[in-house]
Amino acid sequence: AQTVTQSQPEMSVQEAETVTLSCTYDTSENNYYLFWYKQPPSRQMILVIRQEAYKQQNATENRFSVNFQKAAKSFSLKISDSQLGDTAMYFCALNAGNNRKLIWGLGTSLAVNP
Amino acid sequence: DTGVSQDPRHKITKRGQNVTFRCDPISEHNRLYWYRQTLGQGPEFLTYFQNEAQLEKSRLLSDRFSAERPKGSFSTLEIQRTEQGDSAMYLCASSLDDPGRGETQYFGPGTRLLVL
Repeated sequence: AQTVTQSQPEMSVQEAETVTLSCTYDTSENNYYLFWYKQPPSRQMILVIRQEAYKQQNATENRFSVNFQKAAKSFSLKISDSQLGDTAMYFCALNAGNNRKLIWGLGTSLAVNP
Repeated sequence: DTGVSQDPRHKITKRGQNVTFRCDPISEHNRLYWYRQTLGQGPEFLTYFQNEAQLEKSRLLSDRFSAERPKGSFSTLEIQRTEQGDSAMYLCASSLDDPGRGETQYFGPGTRLLVL
């Protein structure tokens, strides 16, 4: 079975500081993709960053970067220079093998405080 | 690229009524997904299409739920004889299958359904 676990239901960070959100996953597939999505309150699910399992280099998108530890099956998201607009629910998701649907974690609610 | 759109954004209905939601994917995307999300939870997969073919349905999708994607463009999700437990956000996502590069699903704004 494929699973995604986010062990931090809620987190908070001060504006301009750095925060790391944790995600672990399980799959027996060799070919898979990992995603972080952001869902602001009452707003749309937005792709933050994507990582291909076959790539050793960690993905980066502006202030967002991941720490992909394939052996440990860990995929954490680091947000640098946090902004008030980063306040949202963050979901980690897995797409593995021939399984087309995304497997989701329960999410981490992040509050950025002024 | 106008993104994925969904209509309506909100729907309030009485128990027992039928409702239909529409999703328009990103124009060149060949895959379309429906998910359901309840408050405080991650999305749950319902079904997906590749072009006009419905390739997978979740066991969550009871006989009261039906989805179509005629001509491989927009999709509709119909719920018959709605129940209060159907109250949720219904999310649509689309993607372009790129062999060797995987796919990325892009989401619409969702349709929030409230069954009274």
